[in-house]
Amino acid sequence: DTGVSQDPRHKITKRGQNVTFRCDPISEHNRLYWYRQTLGQGPEFLTYFQNEAQLEKSRLLSDRFSAERPKGSFSTLEIQRTEQGDSAMYLCASSLRGSGLDYGYTFGSGTRLTVV
Amino acid sequence: TQLLEQSPQFLSIQEGENLTVYCNSSSVFSSLQWYRQEPGEGPVLLVTVVTGGEVKKLKRLTFQFGDARKDSSLHITAAQPGDTGLYLCAGAGTGRRALTFGSGTRLQVQP
Repeated sequence: DTGVSQDPRHKITKRGQNVTFRCDPISEHNRLYWYRQTLGQGPEFLTYFQNEAQLEKSRLLSDRFSAERPKGSFSTLEIQRTEQGDSAMYLCASSLRGSGLDYGYTFGSGTRLTVV
Repeated sequence: TQLLEQSPQFLSIQEGENLTVYCNSSSVFSSLQWYRQEPGEGPVLLVTVVTGGEVKKLKRLTFQFGDARKDSSLHITAAQPGDTGLYLCAGAGTGRRALTFGSGTRLQVQP
């Protein structure tokens, strides 16, 4: 297992378009997290899955954002009608069930979104 | 809302110097983690501290969790250019399952 994979690494889109990002977690991890990070800031929590269940969503996650994790494996994050304020690095992380706080999160390299 | 404040926000030092980075909150955390992030990459876990007053050492890095589990510090001895990066603290409060990250300390070590 090569770690957490995110695709694409970079995405440039026009305002108003929809974009979808994919995250493949470490195979034995059943917790998956999405964070957003802007320049000079720490990651902001967006949403969290345990297996296929979405257990927590941040108030930051407007109705233009939707995330899925079908079958508890990979996850997708979709942003509809993108706005310039959506420009950021979108980070995915995974962790072991019951020990996410002990072993920490393993992050992917992120998807950098630029909305023009 | 649980907030983590890190200080300083930016630190530029010469190779060989010592430094301390602080992470403070008004909330109690069940555990606290430190990550380092390089440009264009995701954060990488350095350490997890769980017990109030706990001290952990990782080579030249020393991490301490406050007695009240509201704050933490990271001390680097004899900094090297390879230590350059964004240092993030992250805490998990009781009842929450997702980490809250601080805004980070950007460290630059000049050779």
